[in-house]
Amino acid sequence: ELKVEQNPLFLSMQEGKNYTIYCNYSTTSDRLYWYRQDPGKSLESLFVLLSNGAVKQEGRLMASLDTKARLSTLHITAAVHDLSATYFCAVDSRGATNKLIFGTGTLLAVQP
Amino acid sequence: DAGVTQSPTHLIKTRGQQVTLRCSPKSGHDTVSWYQQALGQGPQFIFQYYEEEERQRGNFPDRFSGHQFPNYSSELNVNALLLGDSALYLCASSPSGGRYTQYFGPGTRLTVL
Repeated sequence: ELKVEQNPLFLSMQEGKNYTIYCNYSTTSDRLYWYRQDPGKSLESLFVLLSNGAVKQEGRLMASLDTKARLSTLHITAAVHDLSATYFCAVDSRGATNKLIFGTGTLLAVQP
Repeated sequence: DAGVTQSPTHLIKTRGQQVTLRCSPKSGHDTVSWYQQALGQGPQFIFQYYEEEERQRGNFPDRFSGHQFPNYSSELNVNALLLGDSALYLCASSPSGGRYTQYFGPGTRLTVL
């Protein structure tokens, strides 16, 4: 059974600092997604990573994928308060459908 | 272009009752998936509908059922509600049979008393 783990579960950081969120998954998968969720809101798609070595960047966020290590990272550069949210990674379970298996989420709180 | 829409926004029910949640997919999308998100947890896959049929199901009891209509909209039905069914129910749509990024709706917050 595919399992997805994220760490840390909670991250408090100061504005301007850099940090990385890690996402490990247990079995081979075609694709990995990163989503953002604000409190009480739905999920916003950030990145989809399709192949080994894939790297995508948007603003202060950069996501990468190592399929051999079954590891994805979400790197935050020079954090700002607006990045405060919960970040989820999700892995495609393969097969005919893209049933997503989500990690536990990382609650990011950026302090001024 | 309207995104994924869901109704109602909030719902309060009592144990044993039945509930129906509704979802309209993003324009051009034909596949609808439903997820349950309990407080403080990641979403859990309930099932997926494509071509008006349930194509895959997660680890949820038969009390959870669904339907997809010819216009691709979908309903999630939950019978015999339990306190543990209280959660945010998210609908996600994707194009071309589901092998692309899923876009999530705003969710329906269900509270079971």
